[in-house]
Amino acid sequence: DTAVSQTPKYLVTQMGNDKSIKCEQNLGHDTMYWYKQDSKKFLKIMFSYNNKELIINETVPNRFSPKSPDKAHLNLHINSLELGDSAVYFCASSHRTAEAFFGQGTRLTVV
Amino acid sequence: QKEVEQDPGPLSVPEGAIVSLNCTYSNSAFQYFMWYRQYSRKGPELLMYTYSSGNKEDGRFTAQVDKSSKYISLFIRDSQPSDSATYLCAMRTGANSKLTFGKGITLSVRP
Repeated sequence: DTAVSQTPKYLVTQMGNDKSIKCEQNLGHDTMYWYKQDSKKFLKIMFSYNNKELIINETVPNRFSPKSPDKAHLNLHINSLELGDSAVYFCASSHRTAEAFFGQGTRLTVV
Repeated sequence: QKEVEQDPGPLSVPEGAIVSLNCTYSNSAFQYFMWYRQYSRKGPELLMYTYSSGNKEDGRFTAQVDKSSKYISLFIRDSQPSDSATYLCAMRTGANSKLTFGKGITLSVRP
């Protein structure tokens, strides 16, 4: 009965590959987010969707493309992976002004 | 000046100590304030959520918000080794807005 679940948990891939990370929430929230956590543990917003509509798109390379097929799902596709993309990617969800809940993270390593 | 500044760490205290963790912010539009705890290789876990100024207590944890000084604090009483983790402050302006995080502080509670 995990609230926010991400797959995969670990992802090791070569430079230049394309990969996707999936996120699902069963909390009934209307807003979902992707955050990137760097090696120094700093969490930075990448994207946010509200009711399947993109509402936040921070300065992120075009190689990153989010997709929200419905309110409960938010996926992240990354093209042409680079070494600098190595990080932990967190999905989160919230409802209006309420607190946000995070998934367990996807640890991406680009070699 | 960063939007959210968090006291740098790491912080090491003996078991039973009172711990004070602090964040300051520059954006006066922030209204919703959160503290997250993150264990190694896990997702951020919500500890406390407060709206506007005031105090909120939950067990050994007390969150304090002073909007006039743009300052928030988390107090941990009778700290335990299980409290050893990274603590992140986060805040948002309103409904569906992004969470802006502090850099996090790593706390170690020595038995």
